[in-house]
Amino acid sequence: EVQLVETGGGLIQPGGSLRLSCAASGFTVSSNYMSWVRQAPGKGLEWVSVIYSGGSTYYADSVKGRFTISRDNSKNTLYLQMNSLRAEDTAVYYCASIGAVGSIFDPWGQGTLVTVSS
Amino acid sequence: DIQMTQSPSSLSASVGDRVTITCQASQDISNYLNWYQQKPGKAPKLLIYDASNLETGVPSRFSGSGSGTDFTFTISSLQPEDIATYYCQQYDNLPQYTFGQGTKLEIK
Repeated sequence: EVQLVETGGGLIQPGGSLRLSCAASGFTVSSNYMSWVRQAPGKGLEWVSVIYSGGSTYYADSVKGRFTISRDNSKNTLYLQMNSLRAEDTAVYYCASIGAVGSIFDPWGQGTLVTVSS
Repeated sequence: DIQMTQSPSSLSASVGDRVTITCQASQDISNYLNWYQQKPGKAPKLLIYDASNLETGVPSRFSGSGSGTDFTFTISSLQPEDIATYYCQQYDNLPQYTFGQGTKLEIK
């Protein structure tokens, strides 16, 4: 069964750092485009970052320079390192596969909540 | 950046009604558009890809159409389990992805 499971969310003070993990099963992370999408409370979906199968990485302007996407092929796991966190980063963070060509977000993980507050 | 404008932002309809949601792109995106359904507390689920292709296992009452800048998502006969928020998403401007702001569908 194809599955993504995110971990690592929690309460963090403004300016702090947090690393999210997304463990994949049933498919190979390194063979697919992988992405993070977030959803602030009561709001819509916002694309955050993508890592291509070749290793190139891209970010939304709102997180560029603060967040880093990466993967560990040996663990079949995707990561999001989040630094200099702000209140506006508070959201549920989902990881998703965008397939071999980077077009369709499917499947998605269940999401992990990050709350940035003092 | 490509902007996606969804309308309406919320919609109330009765069981059995035909429901239509529109998504307009700020520039031509060909058919590079997907539709997702999100139920409360759950991750989004793919329903339609490439503007008009029904994902495997998705009921046939769901459909999509359009190309260029104007797209339509339709539920032919609303069912109680269709209560959710629906999002469009473009992938013409890689590596930047954009979602519409969502349409919250409620039962009247």
